[in-house]
Amino acid sequence: DVKVTQSSRYLVKRTGEKVFLECVQDMDHENMFWYRQDPGLGLRLIYFSYDVKMKEKGDIPEGYSVSREKKERFSLILESASTNQTSMYLCASTPSGRADYGYTFGSGTRLTVV
Amino acid sequence: SQQGEEDPQALSIQEGENATMNCSYKTSINNLQWYRQNSGRGLVHLILIRSNEREKHSGRLRVTLDTSKKSSSLLITASRAADTASYFCATNSGGSNYKLTFGKGTLLTVNP
Repeated sequence: DVKVTQSSRYLVKRTGEKVFLECVQDMDHENMFWYRQDPGLGLRLIYFSYDVKMKEKGDIPEGYSVSREKKERFSLILESASTNQTSMYLCASTPSGRADYGYTFGSGTRLTVV
Repeated sequence: SQQGEEDPQALSIQEGENATMNCSYKTSINNLQWYRQNSGRGLVHLILIRSNEREKHSGRLRVTLDTSKKSSSLLITASRAADTASYFCATNSGGSNYKLTFGKGTLLTVNP
């Protein structure tokens, strides 16, 4: 069963900490995405990557960075966590060249910054 | 920026009834997709409709697309309690990337 795995379901971190959220997919997909989901705001794109070592900013990249050293792994980094980054973080992937293919999502990481 | 906007925000129906959710968007699209999210979980892809298609079916799901009105609808027939979830539309505007822009979702409650 193909899947996207996010390393933690729940995470509690302190303000100012550097936080790493990991996402791994086993489908050999080229494209990977990080979204955050907040009540009333829906899903907002933070960063995405269409190839190894390639990244592009989404709609709300401020306060975040990403790393894609291997095709299967896409990491989201909160350089200095703040309380307004408390959210549900969702990772997704999709292949290139498949116009009828949707996203495959991970189960999400609910991050609380205290 | 939010592209798709779902309507209604919340919908409550009885088991066996049909559920219809609508999505409006603002710019031209390559395709439109619908996803389901069970409480606190990741999203699951349901169905994709291309900009040159008008209707698509998958099991109990029927999706329509009207590009002149920039709108889509998702119909779930003979709903079940297990259909209780949030439903999101998402649009892809084409080009060389595969970005999706999601709406805020419709919360569907199916009462047994």
